[in-house]
Amino acid sequence: DADVTQTPRNRITKTGKRIMLECSQTKGHDRMYWYRQDPGLGLQLIYYSFDVKDINKGEISDGYSVSRQAQAKFSLSLESAIPNQTALYFCATSDPRSAVLGLNPRAFQPQHFGDGTRLSIL
Amino acid sequence: EDQVTQSPEALRLQEGESSSLNCSYTVSGLRGLFWYRQDPGKGPEFLFTLYSAGEEKEKERLKATLTKKESFLHITAPKPEDSATYLCAVQAKPNTGNQFYFGTGTSLTVIP
Repeated sequence: DADVTQTPRNRITKTGKRIMLECSQTKGHDRMYWYRQDPGLGLQLIYYSFDVKDINKGEISDGYSVSRQAQAKFSLSLESAIPNQTALYFCATSDPRSAVLGLNPRAFQPQHFGDGTRLSIL
Repeated sequence: EDQVTQSPEALRLQEGESSSLNCSYTVSGLRGLFWYRQDPGKGPEFLFTLYSAGEEKEKERLKATLTKKESFLHITAPKPEDSATYLCAVQAKPNTGNQFYFGTGTSLTVIP
């Protein structure tokens, strides 16, 4: 079984619909992330969460919201989907205990990714 | 402006033909540089973390190095199974807080 599971794997929907993408992990990591990947733009950070009560905006959070329901679950919502949100979405986790000793505790550690959700908005 | 640039965008190598991929960065206060491999239809897979200039990491045919302005991923005697997109990411700390940036990747094809 995958350590980081994203559902659904594929979704086609219409403009204006509310959509939720879900991510669950069995790695026991405190930190979770949501990214989108577009051709030619690379991965862009949408939101990240260092624990259940610590949620932060990334570089492209407008139009998105998140919910950290538990240590193992982190959901991404599009309240009113628009076509330019068509992309490949990835969830990732990381373990702060893998940080180099002495490094800023809010530093990013190596991240473990799910296999993505391909979202198309018509 | 913080930026991460990878080159070349695409690289085709014959099996056994060694080469290097480049990741150049302009960020304020590098906290860490990460290399990932991404196969089609899959999420990125972590390869290496480098934290300071002069640091090197190796794994099988791959070796990552870091200077104050760039990182190289050296591929020695590549095999077809090394074909993938290789992504570089950096963590920087601008005045407003920690930020994390990915490059757009290098697509590597190794021909038997």
